[in-house]
Amino acid sequence: DIVMTQSPDSLAVSLGERATINCKSSQSVFSSSNNKNYLAWYQQKPGQPPNLLIYWASTRESGVPDRFTGSGSGTDFTLTISSLQAEDVAVYYCHQYYDTPHTFGQGTKVEIK
Amino acid sequence: QVQLVESGGGVVQPGRSLRLSCAASGFTFNTYGMHWVRQAPGKGLEWVALIWYDGSNKWYADSVKGRFTISRDSSKNTLYLQMNSLRAEDTAVYYCARDAFYYASGGYWLDYWGQGTLVTVSS
Repeated sequence: DIVMTQSPDSLAVSLGERATINCKSSQSVFSSSNNKNYLAWYQQKPGQPPNLLIYWASTRESGVPDRFTGSGSGTDFTLTISSLQAEDVAVYYCHQYYDTPHTFGQGTKVEIK
Repeated sequence: QVQLVESGGGVVQPGRSLRLSCAASGFTFNTYGMHWVRQAPGKGLEWVALIWYDGSNKWYADSVKGRFTISRDSSKNTLYLQMNSLRAEDTAVYYCARDAFYYASGGYWLDYWGQGTLVTVSS
């Protein structure tokens, strides 16, 4: 199984500052057949289901604010929130869909400093 | 609009069975793969199972393989998860979620999620 490891487990960022979350896969999730990285990011607020933010590692889902940016390739990926807003307080998860079983990272909790 | 509504959760004793349902609406159900994902109290997300749009292929997490069965009934626009031999560690909120691609021969990202149903396994 592909193991997804996120870092840090939690971070506190001041409003308007940048938040950076890392996700590392135990094997590459890049497919040379279509030049795509099979990685997604989700945001989960307390008491709510996860909400899709990013897929193909860097494609923003419709309606997601452009302060959310996904980057990376192969085994190393990053979700960046360029200017943290109060409504961004949540837990963020990466997800690989390159192979079954699908796997998620353990989550990164983002709070306001 | 896409809606996924889970039901069937509750308190069940270890070793017993439970069947979860997920009623889908707002899209052509028999053209999308579907997933179950669970979340233990205070913990992260764990992928559980995937079924292709036509039901022809199914995959499971190792933790549930041989005990859980995913299925779908396109005439009822409903996804199911039959859970047998339940254990305390199966206690979680169970979400159904739609796979992003229609007519996909594989699994992709999850673009719509239900609100979840809580399963508690306890004596």
